[in-house]
Parts: sequence; structure tokens; C-alpha cells
Amino acid sequence: GAVVSQHPSWVICKSGTSVKIECRSLDFQATTMFWYRQFPKQSLMLMATSNEGSKATYEQGVEKDKFLINHASLTLSTLTVTSAHPEDSSFYICSAYTSGGSGKAFFGQGTRLTVV
Amino acid sequence: GESVGLHLPTLSVQEGDNSIINCAYSNSASDYFIWYKQESGKGPQFIIDIRSNMDKRQGQRVTVLLNKTVKHLSLQIAATQPGDSAVYFCAEKSGYSTLTFGKGTMLLVSP
Repeated sequence: GAVVSQHPSWVICKSGTSVKIECRSLDFQATTMFWYRQFPKQSLMLMATSNEGSKATYEQGVEKDKFLINHASLTLSTLTVTSAHPEDSSFYICSAYTSGGSGKAFFGQGTRLTVV
Repeated sequence: GESVGLHLPTLSVQEGDNSIINCAYSNSASDYFIWYKQESGKGPQFIIDIRSNMDKRQGQRVTVLLNKTVKHLSLQIAATQPGDSAVYFCAEKSGYSTLTFGKGTMLLVSP
């Protein structure tokens, strides 16, 4: 099946610093990628839709200036958590669809962010 | 689909039993449904999908049933194994819309 690679798998950072998470589609091109956030024992919450070559679309309540998304190529989207705070600690997951928007969605392995 | 929940229901089974995980969805326009398995600390893993023009689809040890009349989806796992222990999410979408995830069910398989 299609592979989506996410890096890093875990990161610990100090409050006030910024952290960048990468999401790559390894064997297919993804014009659209998605970023999710997941709290313990909860479902995935869509944060934003990353569009190649254009601005990301953010879900209601998600601060676009705090969670910067860049989708510079058809195989790479990045999520940067700026000025991180302990409440930003969470599990962040990206996904991408094959065959445009109607295909299957595959997920990265997730990134555990801990802000201390 | 179900909105994001705050609690995970749990299904506990014995190894070798058949497991049935249920999911209700609310969008009657949804035409594509997927079951994902998520192990602790990992991203969701695709298990099986079904389109709305079908009511049953079988994979290896797994079967998905779709009842559009009552907007219900189920995942059946035959001969459940300890390695099946994980959280299972149903997800739905309509056309090119984004996926909507159900709240998830934790499956615990004891030897």
C-alpha cells in the first residue's frame, strides 16, 4: 500500500521554541495532505488541510499563526508549531489520499510532541 | 459520523473469539467508509474499506458490514488474536470531503 512517512516520531522541546514536523508521501503524489491532533484515548481531530502550492485551510478553533503549514511540493507537507507551550503537547498525525481526494487515506506514524 | 468523543468504549474478548466492533454514522450522504486500526503511539493503519453501493466486504479475517438504512457500520474480526489489540476507528467521507472519524473502540484481547 501507499506509504506516508512522518518525521520525527517524537520530539521534546522547551516552551517558547518552535518545532517542525515533516510529512512525506513516499510512493505517490499528494496535492492535499491533512494534519490531525490526537489526545490520549480520543479520536483524531482534523486541524488543517494542506494544499500544495496554496494556503492551508484551517479548522475552526485552530490558530493558523501558531500551527504553520507549508506544502511546497507534491510529496512534502510540514507543520511548524510556533512558540510551543505545554498545552501543545500532543500526538500529531498527517495523512494523504491516493488518487486525488476520492482514494484511500494513508497515515503517517505520528509525532509525539512534548513541550517542557 | 460521530463527533469526536471524550471516552473510548472498550471491547474485551478472549483469544480465538470473534469480535464485532460497531460504528454509527450520521451523514446519509457518506459514500465511502473505512476501518482503521491504531496501536499505541502509532498512526492509524488501514484495515478495510467499503463503498456505499455494497453492504458487505471481506478481507483476511475481517469483514465490514454496512447498513445504510440505519447508518450503521461494523467490523468483524474472526479468531481474534492478541496482536489485534488496538483502538479501532471507523471513518466516513462523502465524495471529495475530508474524513470524519468515529470516537473509536479499544479492543482488548486476552490470551
